[in-house]
Amino acid sequence: GDSVTQMEGPVTLSEEAFLTINCTYTATGYPSLFWYVQYPGEGLQLLLKATKADDKGSNKGFEATYRKETTSFHLEKGSVQVSDSAVYFCALCPTGKLIFGQGTTLQVKP
Amino acid sequence: DGGITQSPKYLFRKEGQNVTLSCEQNLNHDAMYWYRQDPGQGLRLIYYSQIVNDFQKGDIAEGYSVSREKKESFPLTVTSAQKNPTAFYLCASSASFSGFLLNTEAFFGQGTRLTVV
Repeated sequence: GDSVTQMEGPVTLSEEAFLTINCTYTATGYPSLFWYVQYPGEGLQLLLKATKADDKGSNKGFEATYRKETTSFHLEKGSVQVSDSAVYFCALCPTGKLIFGQGTTLQVKP
Repeated sequence: DGGITQSPKYLFRKEGQNVTLSCEQNLNHDAMYWYRQDPGQGLRLIYYSQIVNDFQKGDIAEGYSVSREKKESFPLTVTSAQKNPTAFYLCASSASFSGFLLNTEAFFGQGTRLTVV
């Protein structure tokens, strides 16, 4: 069945470090892919999305490219800030049912 | 402002009681979802609804019930049959419908933290 696999966390980085959070998926067809972010005690917010192969989603310095050949949608940011500390979820919606990865906790230290 | 509202933010339940969590959206979305999140874990789908008066079980539906009598409302009842209900519950909606245009993002409420006392 359809699924999403994320790298396990927590990921701990120093401020201004480069971030990569890996995400791979299994799905029939060509679903849109999403990254959501969850700050402590809150719901999820859409961070970025890509709707077709080779699309690059970007927002707030974060980027992810839809790679059909590797079935991946890795999240990257060139220079993280303390305020980026949160849980990040990769997701897809192949048939109307949202499917999320397990989430990756990011901690950024000053 | 358009959005999705969950209430209450915190809820305490005695063992053996049923409780109902509210979820309302004014985004005119067809699809609504309930997820459960446990500390340090991802989201697990409890129930989802693609259209009014229709809903499907997710991965962990046992001990929960839902209704979808109105497009904007999707309440979740946590019954006494749910053995471990303490968790953070998230409601979401998306403009999703059968066919090709399924790939729209979901909007989430702020969540309800349920604690059994």
